[in-house]
Amino acid sequence: AQSVTQPDIHITVSEGASLELRCNYSYGATPYLFWYVQSPGQGLQLLLKYFSGDTLVQGIKGFEAEFKRSQSSFNLRKPSVHWSDAAEYFCAVAISTGNQFYFGTGTSLTVIP
Amino acid sequence: NAGVMQNPRHLVRRRGQEARLRCSPMKGHSHVYWYRQLPEEGLKFMVYLQKENIIDESGMPKERFSAEFPKEGPSILRIQQVVRGDSAAYFCASSLSYRRGGNEQYFGPGTRLTVT
Repeated sequence: AQSVTQPDIHITVSEGASLELRCNYSYGATPYLFWYVQSPGQGLQLLLKYFSGDTLVQGIKGFEAEFKRSQSSFNLRKPSVHWSDAAEYFCAVAISTGNQFYFGTGTSLTVIP
Repeated sequence: NAGVMQNPRHLVRRRGQEARLRCSPMKGHSHVYWYRQLPEEGLKFMVYLQKENIIDESGMPKERFSAEFPKEGPSILRIQQVVRGDSAAYFCASSLSYRRGGNEQYFGPGTRLTVT
């Protein structure tokens, strides 16, 4: 069965510091990969997605993610975090033979001044 | 262009009552997905519908839960005889087109159901 792992439940970074959120998936072929952000009490907003091609993808709000097939990973990065980035981040995977997204359990990001 | 709309945003029900959650997809979208988010967990797929058809309900509990997406009007997720374990946030997503795995889903703000 497909699974998505976000090893870090909670991360705290200082404003202006760099950020990397980890995501690993379990699936035999190359899946479709997504990162979503959820602010408190809000729905999910798509940050970026990978379907094929260049393994480094750019998203909104200055985020980027890199697909590494050998590591089955799709880590999210941002070079300089802003206080407004504090939120819950979800990695999601979709496969070519299914309809649904599989979500990780999320990483909660706290940004300190 | 309005996004995915869900109502109500918050719903409180007593055990044994029925809960009806509504989802209006983005304009022009005819594919709707329902997910459930339990506290401290990620979203779990429940059901995928197109207009008047349930395409995939592999994530729906076998009893008390049903979903529909009529020709006219919003998609409805219905939970009969709610229990405390049904307390969760229920998210609806919609997509414009369908391509297995490759459809970009847009999410609504969710309905937070509390069962007392």
